[in-house]
Amino acid sequence: QLQLVESGGGVVQPGRSLRLSCVASGFSFGSYLMHWVRQAPGKGLEWVAVISYDGNSKYYADSMKGRFTISRDNSKNTLYLQVDSLSPEDTAIYYCARRGSMDVWGNGTTVTVSS
Amino acid sequence: QSALTQPASVSGSPGQSITISCTGTSSDVGGYNYVSWYQQHPGKAPKLMIYEVSNRPSGVSNRFSGSKSGNTASLTISGLQTEDEADYYCISYTSTYTRVFGGGTKLTVL
Repeated sequence: QLQLVESGGGVVQPGRSLRLSCVASGFSFGSYLMHWVRQAPGKGLEWVAVISYDGNSKYYADSMKGRFTISRDNSKNTLYLQVDSLSPEDTAIYYCARRGSMDVWGNGTTVTVSS
Repeated sequence: QSALTQPASVSGSPGQSITISCTGTSSDVGGYNYVSWYQQHPGKAPKLMIYEVSNRPSGVSNRFSGSKSGNTASLTISGLQTEDEADYYCISYTSTYTRVFGGGTKLTVL
């Protein structure tokens, strides 16, 4: 079945970096555009970034530019999100989602930024 | 990239219909037919309910419908059921190839 599984979250100190992963199964990962979306505790959904099926095009929310890097390895069916200079405001559940319409979502990985 | 505007909350009784609005600009909602709607129950991942303004994915009840007029998209749920109680979010493609979510609407089924 179609599945996305995020990992890489945890408790991290402010100023550190983290790389999140999203492993896809049940479909041809390399054929689809992919998104990252986050949700801070008790808050709404916030779009983070999108990457084209081949990785050649990447776009970020204005507030994410500079510290966030989206990438993918189609040979490993894996999507990545590198987050640098983490701050407490980055505390959130991070979801990956498939295609423009976000028709398939993972269950998310939780990132907590705290000293 | 300002968030799309949704009402913070709406409510209805079982069997009734409700509509949730999602207002943007000509650079997002009004400029493209790429508006989607998601349902999110507490502690769960979002679920796609409507894509490209008015299309329903396979498996989504036909009680859910979407539309758009100008810079405002709408999600209508007819025949409200208790299980429809959830948060609902809209999202739109934008003129800078990015996406922007609405702030979310909490639906209460009384």
